[in-house]
Amino acid sequence: EVQLVETGGGLIQPGGSLRLSCAASGFTVSNNYMNWVRQAPGKGLEWVSVVYSDSSTSYADSVKGRFTISRDNSKNTVYLQMNSLRAEDTAVYYCAREEALWGRAFDIWGQGTMVTVSS
Amino acid sequence: SYELTHPSSVSVSPGQTANITCSGDKLGNKYAFWYQQKPGQSPVLVIYQDTKRPSGIPERFSGSNSGNTATLTISGTQAMDEADYYCQAWDSSHVVFGGGTKLTVL
Repeated sequence: EVQLVETGGGLIQPGGSLRLSCAASGFTVSNNYMNWVRQAPGKGLEWVSVVYSDSSTSYADSVKGRFTISRDNSKNTVYLQMNSLRAEDTAVYYCAREEALWGRAFDIWGQGTMVTVSS
Repeated sequence: SYELTHPSSVSVSPGQTANITCSGDKLGNKYAFWYQQKPGQSPVLVIYQDTKRPSGIPERFSGSNSGNTATLTISGTQAMDEADYYCQAWDSSHVVFGGGTKLTVL
């Protein structure tokens, strides 16, 4: 079964750091573009970051310089290292696979992990 | 930056047709994607490349995209279709999501 499982969320103080993990099963993350998308409470979807199959990366302006996306091919897992966290980073963070054959649709989503930034 | 605009809410009676629109500059020149999100759940892709349905998505879901507007149509709407719906497009390799439409099945 094709599946994504995110872990690592929690309550963190402003300025703190957190690392999210996204473990994939049923497909190989290194062959796909893998994204993080977040959703603040009661708000819409916001794209955060992508790691491409060639390991290059891209970030939303709102997180550039603070967040780092990476991939461990041996564990078939994608990570999001989040530093200098702010209250506005509070959100559910979803990992999503980008399907190139479908025009780059986000075809598989994880269940999400909640990050709360608060003192 | 590129923007996609939804109506904030749409209401429909069970068994009727719901049309949810998404507007953006020359959106018809791009692919539109639609995601369904029920409360407390992850988004689910229901339409890709304007008109295509992933396996497992009921035939009552269809899409179109022309000019500046993409439309998600749900024919014979059921109570289980009550959810938030988001359109998405790519603009110069940037992901853009619409703000979402809450579909209420009265």
